[in-house]
Amino acid sequence: DQQVKQNSPSLSVQEGRISILNCDYTNSMFDYFLWYKKYPAEGPTFLISISSIKDKNEDGRFTVFLNKSAKHLSLHIVPSQPGDSAVYFCAASGSNYKLTFGKGTLLTVNP
Amino acid sequence: GAGVSQSPRYKVAKRGQDVALRCDPISGHVSLFWYQQALGQGPEFLTYFQNEAQLDKSGLPSDRFFAERPEGSVSTLKIQRTQQEDSAVYLCASSQQLAKNIQYFGAGTRLSVL
Repeated sequence: DQQVKQNSPSLSVQEGRISILNCDYTNSMFDYFLWYKKYPAEGPTFLISISSIKDKNEDGRFTVFLNKSAKHLSLHIVPSQPGDSAVYFCAASGSNYKLTFGKGTLLTVNP
Repeated sequence: GAGVSQSPRYKVAKRGQDVALRCDPISGHVSLFWYQQALGQGPEFLTYFQNEAQLDKSGLPSDRFFAERPEGSVSTLKIQRTQQEDSAVYLCASSQQLAKNIQYFGAGTRLSVL
């Protein structure tokens, strides 16, 4: 039973537009959420995170939104750039620190 | 080095062979994690160390998997009598004491068992 779900395997957007990646979770004990970006043959790179006491965190072009009642979070990238093309993983953790990941969404930003 | 270093990057093993995968975490990071990533999936937790103590090994799939971090720095993941289903990318991550949730990953070791 997947506790973290990314229901869109892929997403394609035009350069300069907004990319919105979505993630749902089922475990109410998760209190910290992260987004990682992964290029082929590399490890996941930390992008941005949010604690469950917040509903929004922003870092440059990247914003993460958390809706606890819906158990849903999203990553917004504005404006999208071709270099953003990668697989994006949503991850969640609770008090034991181990990360539970979704299956990832492949983002393609077209020039 | 500046990041988490893993070796070897690629390992091909014959079924039944033992393998050892190494992880060198970011200097000063007390927490170290191992994850297994199958093709088309997200990473899955295997085990967690705080310094030299293995605090959680609930994700290790069988007793053929063993991890150690004897001096609280470098860690080794050992897989005995490898099976084809062990083929995956093995990722190591480390984090700071005050921000354990934010884990920094190495490039991984891709293990192929023939």
